[in-house]
Amino acid sequence: GEDVEQSLFLSVREGDSSVINCTYTDSSSTYLYWYKQEPGAGLQLLTYIFSNMDMKQDQRLTVLLNKKDKHLSLRIADTQTGDSAIYFCAERRGTDKLIFGTGTRLQVFP
Amino acid sequence: EAGVVQSPRYKIIEKKQPVAFWCNPISGHNTLYWYRQNLGQGPELLIRYENEEAVDDSQLPKDRFSAERLKGVDSTLKIQPAELGDSAVYLCASSLGQMNTEAFFGQGTRLTVV
Repeated sequence: GEDVEQSLFLSVREGDSSVINCTYTDSSSTYLYWYKQEPGAGLQLLTYIFSNMDMKQDQRLTVLLNKKDKHLSLRIADTQTGDSAIYFCAERRGTDKLIFGTGTRLQVFP
Repeated sequence: EAGVVQSPRYKIIEKKQPVAFWCNPISGHNTLYWYRQNLGQGPELLIRYENEEAVDDSQLPKDRFSAERLKGVDSTLKIQPAELGDSAVYLCASSLGQMNTEAFFGQGTRLTVV
């Protein structure tokens, strides 16, 4: 993706928390998203946050947004083996254009 | 309710051959997107439709790629002729079209050009 950066890999033990980070460049982006992609599957929207919010929690997922630093993070509590996948952050530019990051591969080991 | 359906799931062709991908969006979704996802990268938008009108095709390589959305429902994406660098997963997505409405993705078509 153009100018949306993520670390490539993250490995965590089952039961621990996972934190996936993302930096973006367009300060005018209105919404920021986290998508999950499992092998051979399309993208599934996990959660999103409006740009005027700092935090959003949804069950095991917590999204933190630092708009000043253009930094977005996704925390997964009590990570399970089923959480193993590639996670993409995305920013909405303009009316309806999503710019995706390069993805972070999360591996959960027992 | 059926999700976004794409076909075929996999396609292997020789370079310089034509290829077409088909997408059936979720019923009632006005907005349809085609994305290309190269290996190890995030999806990149190729074209976006609002009903039958292509409203954003700035990233579509128009010398070899074409797309259409007949009657504002199904869509096809065509490549003619294909090049080795076109090998990727082509994803279709649809949404209701309003601001921040969730975009639902199909499983994609994995194209391999040999």
